[in-house]
Amino acid sequence: ILNVEQSPQSLHVQEGDSTNFTCSFPSSNFYALHWYRWETAKSPEALFVMTLNGDEKKKGRISATLNTKEGYSYLYIKGSQPEDSATYLCAFVDTGRRALTFGSGTRLQVQP
Amino acid sequence: EAGVAQSPRYKIIEKRQSVAFWCNPISGHATLYWYQQILGQGPKLLIQFQNNGVVDDSQLPKDRFSAERLKGVDSTLKIQPAKLEDSAVYLCASSLAESSNTEAFFGQGTRLTVV
Repeated sequence: ILNVEQSPQSLHVQEGDSTNFTCSFPSSNFYALHWYRWETAKSPEALFVMTLNGDEKKKGRISATLNTKEGYSYLYIKGSQPEDSATYLCAFVDTGRRALTFGSGTRLQVQP
Repeated sequence: EAGVAQSPRYKIIEKRQSVAFWCNPISGHATLYWYQQILGQGPKLLIQFQNNGVVDDSQLPKDRFSAERLKGVDSTLKIQPAKLEDSAVYLCASSLAESSNTEAFFGQGTRLTVV
């Protein structure tokens, strides 16, 4: 069983704060790392799919970095807004199964 | 483009009853996934289809769960008989590529409560 861990489990920040979360995954047999945002009563939505060590991706105020050698990825949100409130999930894909193994997520709440 | 459709959105059943969920993926997507998400945990893959063939069902409790994908398009997931611990959100997702290095598109899920 692959171990994908996310921290923190939950986070409360004020509007305008910048924040970041961590996803830890096995450092061997890396194939891809996905980030998803899941808002209450909606479908999980893909943010990034990262495949190369050292990858950095950005979408608006959200960015992510990837270190496959040490087995972690960071997700950053700059200037959090209430609409950023959601659960952020990462999913590790290994070269063997090629299936997404999810972490348990980081639940973010942004207070206006 | 239309997204992944799932039905029903909610279902409440008694233990030992049967239940079925339906998923219609995005048109043209070869890969279809069923995930189980128990409260407080991340989604767990139950089964992955490539067209109408099973790629991975290693975590599917085959004594009570079954799934099929007809003609490589729609899919149904069945639980028979249900247990209390099956209470969860069941998510269907699809992706265009055969490999998992492209994003998956998710439906809104079916929330199952077993009482």
